[in-house]
Amino acid sequence: KAGVTQTPRYLIKTRGQQVTLSCSPISGHRSVSWYQQTPGQGLQFLFEYFSETQRNKGNFPGRFSGRQFSNSRSEMNVSTLELGDSALYLCASSSDPTYEQYFGPGTRLTVT
Amino acid sequence: GQQVMQIPQYQHVQEGEDFTTYCNSSTTLSNIQWYKQRPGGHPVFLIQLVKSGEVKKQKRLTFQFGEAKKNSSLHITATQTTDVGTYFCATGANNLFFGTGTRLTVIP
Repeated sequence: KAGVTQTPRYLIKTRGQQVTLSCSPISGHRSVSWYQQTPGQGLQFLFEYFSETQRNKGNFPGRFSGRQFSNSRSEMNVSTLELGDSALYLCASSSDPTYEQYFGPGTRLTVT
Repeated sequence: GQQVMQIPQYQHVQEGEDFTTYCNSSTTLSNIQWYKQRPGGHPVFLIQLVKSGEVKKQKRLTFQFGEAKKNSSLHITATQTTDVGTYFCATGANNLFFGTGTRLTVIP
């Protein structure tokens, strides 16, 4: 079974721009979660989608949004980028109800 | 939200020595998951504990969930260079709250 894939792997953007990251979960997994990882704040939960609906949301500003498509693929969008948004963005999929999360390789976003 | 504190932040050991990382919470946890992240990699699921006092073993790794379900530990016996990485505890379901992690360095 193919693992979780994320595109792009690396991205450099300028403050004020917006960015869209993509995640393809493991085949058959309907839950997709997004996390932000930074040296200062560690791993933080952004949101989770299940069957095209946002089921859980972390404590991030509204500039961070996401969606899930009928094939379970998910995208997250960050608008009006700030320097502090520089991070590794990780997507994870799981097959309810085991809750074991399978992480993708991440997208390294650098905001200059 | 839930908070889990993890100690130590860093640990350097000689190859062959044992290693333990601890995860503590002020509130009762429904579960604990443990993940390993190699340098430059992504978190990889190791195990989930849900029962009070639960102990699980995976080869040289021993995982424990406290009786009060407020703490957990991961113990590695006789570390090897392949054990290098950051070990995270986490709680929750598809909205995991992660501990701060313990970065393990193994000196050959």
